Amino acid sequence: AQSVTQPDIHITVSEGASLELRCNYSYGATPYLFWYVQSPGQGLQLLLKYFSGDTLVQGIKGFEAEFKRSQSSFNLRKPSVHWSDAAEYFCAVIRRYSAGNMLTFGGGTRLMVKP
Amino acid sequence: GAVVSQHPSWVICKSGTSVKIECRSLDFQATTMFWYRQFPKQSLMLMATSNEGSKATYEQGVEKDKFLINHASLTLSTLTVTSAHPEDSSFYICSARDRSAGPSTDTQYFGPGTRLTVL
Repeated sequence: AQSVTQPDIHITVSEGASLELRCNYSYGATPYLFWYVQSPGQGLQLLLKYFSGDTLVQGIKGFEAEFKRSQSSFNLRKPSVHWSDAAEYFCAVIRRYSAGNMLTFGGGTRLMVKP
Repeated sequence: GAVVSQHPSWVICKSGTSVKIECRSLDFQATTMFWYRQFPKQSLMLMATSNEGSKATYEQGVEKDKFLINHASLTLSTLTVTSAHPEDSSFYICSARDRSAGPSTDTQYFGPGTRLTVL
């Protein structure tokens, strides 16, 4: 079964520092991978997605993610974190089944930004 | 970009009452909408998938008689929590897949969520 794991429940970084959020997936074929961000009490906003092609994907708000098949990873990165980036981040993979495709989410990583 | 709205944003109700939550795709048609439930500090759990004009497909463990889903049009899906109890209190989020984008994109757009509190 397809699944996605986010090993870090909480991460704290200083404003201006670089950020990397980890995501590992288990899936037999080439996965469709996503990163979403959720601010407190809000819905999810799509940061970026990977379907095929270039393994380094650029997203909104200065985020990027790199698909590494050998490591089954799709880590999210940002070179310089802003205080407004504090939020919950979810990695997700498409789960394929006979009736269609559905997103399966990782447990999430809560990012806190120190001034 | 694709926008999904939910109404209401907040709802507080007494135990035993039913609550309806609406999910609308504002600028695109959605053949498929999804309903998720999120408990505090936890991830999203898919409850059901609804396709326009057909019955919803529920995930294992989700009571279909408890959580009624109707997808009457290409822009509207509703979730009705029937005879709500305190344990139904949660954050409910819907998402919609853009029909025009085609199956290869498989991108879901999420609503802002509805916080349900059952007293």
